[in-house]
Amino acid sequence: DVKVTQSSRYLVKRTGEKVFLECVQDMDHENMFWYRQDPGLGLRLIYFSYDVKMKEKGDIPEGYSVSREKKERFSLILESASTNQTSMYLCASSLLELYTFGSGTRLTVV
Amino acid sequence: GESVGLHLPTLSVQEGDNSIINCAYSNSASDYFIWYKQESGKGPQFIIDIRSNMDKRQGQRVTVLLNKTVKHLSLQIAATQPGDSAVYFCAENDATNKLIFGTGTLLAVQP
Repeated sequence: DVKVTQSSRYLVKRTGEKVFLECVQDMDHENMFWYRQDPGLGLRLIYFSYDVKMKEKGDIPEGYSVSREKKERFSLILESASTNQTSMYLCASSLLELYTFGSGTRLTVV
Repeated sequence: GESVGLHLPTLSVQEGDNSIINCAYSNSASDYFIWYKQESGKGPQFIIDIRSNMDKRQGQRVTVLLNKTVKHLSLQIAATQPGDSAVYFCAENDATNKLIFGTGTLLAVQP
């Protein structure tokens, strides 16, 4: 069974902390994505990557960065967490148009 | 201070009834559309897709209808069951293999 695994289901961090959200896929997909999900706003694309060491900004990249050192792993970094980054974060990988999502990480910044 | 999120549209149906969830998409050049189901505590899961050269596609208990003239997509669920309770998202492919998601509709199935 193919999988996208996000390392944490729930995280609580303090304002100003550097936060790492990890995502690993076992499908050898080229494409990986990070979204945040907020009620009534749907899924908004933060960053994506079409290859190792490659990254592209999505619609809401401010306050975030990413790292893709290996094909299977795509990390989302909050350089200095703020309360408005409290959200559900979803990672996905894709083969062409077929996306597979992880279960999400619910991050609370206090 | 704490921000107030927008409310999610909700469709409430009786068990056994048919459900219709609607979605308006934004890009007339989009050529591929997908419906996802997201249950509580899980990531979105693929339900059914349709390409722009079709106007209807059927799966098991689900049908997707595409009206390109008015940029409208709908998901029909036949004989809705309690296990269908979830948030449903439509998504369009913007031809760069990036999906643009709708805001979602919460389907609540009443026993």
